[in-house]
Amino acid sequence: QTVVTQESSFSVSPGGTVTLTCALGSGSVTTKSYPTWYQQTPGQAPRTLIYNTNSRSSGVPDRFSGAIIGNKAALIITGAQADDESDYYCMLYLNSAIWVFGGGTKLTVL
Amino acid sequence: EVQLVESGGGLVQPGGSLRLSCGASGFTFASYWMHWVRQAPGKGLVWVSRINNEGRSTKYADFVKGRFTLSRDNAKSTLSLQMNSLTAEDTGVYFCARQSWDYLNYFDSWGQGALVTVSS
Repeated sequence: QTVVTQESSFSVSPGGTVTLTCALGSGSVTTKSYPTWYQQTPGQAPRTLIYNTNSRSSGVPDRFSGAIIGNKAALIITGAQADDESDYYCMLYLNSAIWVFGGGTKLTVL
Repeated sequence: EVQLVESGGGLVQPGGSLRLSCGASGFTFASYWMHWVRQAPGKGLVWVSRINNEGRSTKYADFVKGRFTLSRDNAKSTLSLQMNSLTAEDTGVYFCARQSWDYLNYFDSWGQGALVTVSS
């Protein structure tokens, strides 16, 4: 079974920069995995932040960006704000035409 | 405005069945691939299944193969997930999601979810 790994938790100071990563257990994440990032707060549906590696979804502030860094997908938050405190999930599209989520990163802003 | 509204969740005994529905509005339902994603209590998101726009092609995660069946009625703009042989591990919130039209393989709209609880 394909495993997608994210940091379980991360902490950032207000105004700081944080990079969350998404690794593929069996190899490298590339643009062909169409990395997507979702933000979710408790009790809410996920919100699409970044799709196709580095495209921002409509209405998403430009402090959120996506990239491939090394062999991982990355979500970079520049100038973190208090309301960025959420769970963040990456999702990859695999060759077998299935989608796999990472385990999620709980981001704390303090 | 795109809207996806799940229904049909509830409490079911182990081994039982449940049928979830997702009503769509605000877009041309027949043009989009659709998915189900679930989330166990306190856990992460897990992809469950997808169906193409015509309803002729489906794909399932290994853990639901042979137990869950995904279908759609484009005339009624409704997506359905028939869940059989349920176990406690199937407990969670089930979200329906719309896949983007541009083959970039991401979900651009989500419902609010339906809670399924499998317990005796």
